[in-house]
Amino acid sequence: NAGVTQTPKFQVLKTGQSMTLQCAQDMNHNSMYWYRQDPGMGLRLIYYSASKGTTDKGEVPNGYNVSRLNKREFSLRLESAAPSQTSVYFCASSMVTVAKNIQYFGAGTRLSVL
Amino acid sequence: AQTVTQSQPEMSVQEAETVTLSCTYDTSENNYYLFWYKQPPSRQMILVIRQEAYKQQNATENRFSVNFQKAAKSFSLKISDSQLGDTAMYFCAFTPYSGAGSYQLTFGKGTKLSVIP
Repeated sequence: NAGVTQTPKFQVLKTGQSMTLQCAQDMNHNSMYWYRQDPGMGLRLIYYSASKGTTDKGEVPNGYNVSRLNKREFSLRLESAAPSQTSVYFCASSMVTVAKNIQYFGAGTRLSVL
Repeated sequence: AQTVTQSQPEMSVQEAETVTLSCTYDTSENNYYLFWYKQPPSRQMILVIRQEAYKQQNATENRFSVNFQKAAKSFSLKISDSQLGDTAMYFCAFTPYSGAGSYQLTFGKGTKLSVIP
């Protein structure tokens, strides 16, 4: 019963490097989300996807791109990493029905940009 | 835009005692959902409790209960019989009703709770 799986768990990048954070869920959820967590800031939504092939911006989308190629997977890409993107990144998923709108989170990816 | 405010950055409680964490929110929506999530040192986000705004009855889950005051836009979490495993960051979160769409969460900044033996 894996739930939401994020890879990698830790990553160190140099300024200007690119990378993709991977997220996969096995709960047959329609919606998926990417959040970032900074000290003292709580979690803030970067992008979300209501279904395969659709994505929308959240509160802090600048510097990121996302891809939802299938129902299970939702990736987050940093094209040119900046120190301001040092953060912990969480992927989450949920059903779209009102009764089941609880979000389930992955274990997070700690990213440091030097 | 919605905002969620947790005014207590840190709190502590003796083991077996009761503690209440505060949360207020600002929204013009009438139908919405409120959540408390727990984040222990493992960093995993774990749902504690969920409240539907159209329900007047306060949600409860074992030792966890909420005091939901819709008019005051207040949503506090009460933890009874505190246990060492309750030590964690607690986040209050809000999402408006969106039918069959996605439910984007707006989080507060969190309250760090320490349970003292």
